[in-house]
Amino acid sequence: QVTLKESGPGILQPSQTLSLTCTFSGFSLSTYGMGVGWIRQPSGKGLEWLANIWWDDDKYYNPSLKNRLTISKDTSNNQAFLKITNVDTADTATYYCARIGTHYYSGDPYWYFDFWGPGTMVTVSS
Amino acid sequence: DIVMTQSPTSMSISVGDRVTMNCKASQNVGSNVDWYQQKTGQSPKLLIYKASNRYTGVPDRFTGSGSGTDFTFTISNMQAEDLAVYYCMQSNSYPPTFGAGTKLELK
Repeated sequence: QVTLKESGPGILQPSQTLSLTCTFSGFSLSTYGMGVGWIRQPSGKGLEWLANIWWDDDKYYNPSLKNRLTISKDTSNNQAFLKITNVDTADTATYYCARIGTHYYSGDPYWYFDFWGPGTMVTVSS
Repeated sequence: DIVMTQSPTSMSISVGDRVTMNCKASQNVGSNVDWYQQKTGQSPKLLIYKASNRYTGVPDRFTGSGSGTDFTFTISNMQAEDLAVYYCMQSNSYPPTFGAGTKLELK
């Protein structure tokens, strides 16, 4: 059974660094083809992809956040992490982590977010 | 970035209706589009991947189609539990991008 759960500070002040943890079970980030992604959603608004990390430590970031993001993993403890530096009120959102599943079509991989955590709300306020 | 434009923004529907919504990509994304369902207060749930493939356990009243820039998502026999916001997402190229969503409401 695959489960994921996000944890974070709840509230922080502008210019601080947001540190998020995704603790998961039911899969391993050392398994070929596996990955974890981070997606956020301001209240009442749509979804924004932030970053992906893969089993081989390959990483992808949303360029709109201009080098403020760092994604990492701890395979031994089944955790993935996301840091966002220099936060402001626009970073107020629910942050989700999601497992990246891969389906192979004639050997070519196709990835999607197949399991999501419940999300953690983050408020940036002075 | 590829822009995914969903239409309509919202729909008023009745149980038993056939519901169709659309997603248009700003450039060719092949078949690399997924559809997610998000009920109020819940995290998104994968329904369709690679345009037309139903994810494990998803009822067959949910179908997806399309390729290139135009994609369609259909619920053939709307159930009350299908009330939600539906998002399309392209994964053809980084950064993956979501549409703004189509919200289904009861008439």
